[in-house]
Amino acid sequence: DTGVSQDPRHKITKRGQNVTFRCDPISEHNRLYWYRQTLGQGPEFLTYFQNEAQLEKSRLLSDRFSAERPKGSFSTLEIQRTEQGDSAMYLCASSRTGGAPNEQFFGPGTRLTVL
Amino acid sequence: KNQVEQSPQSLIILEGKNCTLQCNYTVSPFSNLRWYKQDTGRGPVSLTIMTFSENTKSNGRYTATLDADTKQSSLHITASQLSDSASYICVVSPDNAGNMLTFGGGTRLMVKP
Repeated sequence: DTGVSQDPRHKITKRGQNVTFRCDPISEHNRLYWYRQTLGQGPEFLTYFQNEAQLEKSRLLSDRFSAERPKGSFSTLEIQRTEQGDSAMYLCASSRTGGAPNEQFFGPGTRLTVL
Repeated sequence: KNQVEQSPQSLIILEGKNCTLQCNYTVSPFSNLRWYKQDTGRGPVSLTIMTFSENTKSNGRYTATLDADTKQSSLHITASQLSDSASYICVVSPDNAGNMLTFGGGTRLMVKP
């Protein structure tokens, strides 16, 4: 399968714990995006990488959130000191420069539940 | 503020029936609009993309329309199937770079037998 993959698919954690999610984009895609989606809502942009450079961060990305893409391939999203309000689906998407306009390919998401 | 509003929030129809989902946007400037289908527990999958100059585009039983003057789009589903049960999300971009997407809240469609 050559689509976007995310790991884990589900994560249940207690408030105050740290969690880390991984995203593997489509191999030839140089752009990678993280989104957060709560129930019944559309995805909200968190951050965007072009290759290994983090070019944009949303104001939603508080200082407890950090994302990396060290080699320009896979990316990790870490949430420190989780809060119940962090419970959501975290989606990763990838695209390539010069691809069809706005054609971002999404992964299946990681559903986070903070107890 | 750039916004994308979708209606209805949810919809239940019987298998075989048609339905139309609406999307109104205030994104400016406007480059293109894309409809995504999101199955429960999965990531969104693109259905159609429409640019400023396009009025209608079809993808099988899905037909999207765009009125750039009134900033409205619709997604029409013909002869619905059980597998059409999903959320349909309207996404608008001000440019072709694709980095500044504005997502609507989605319409949750349920097709019943």
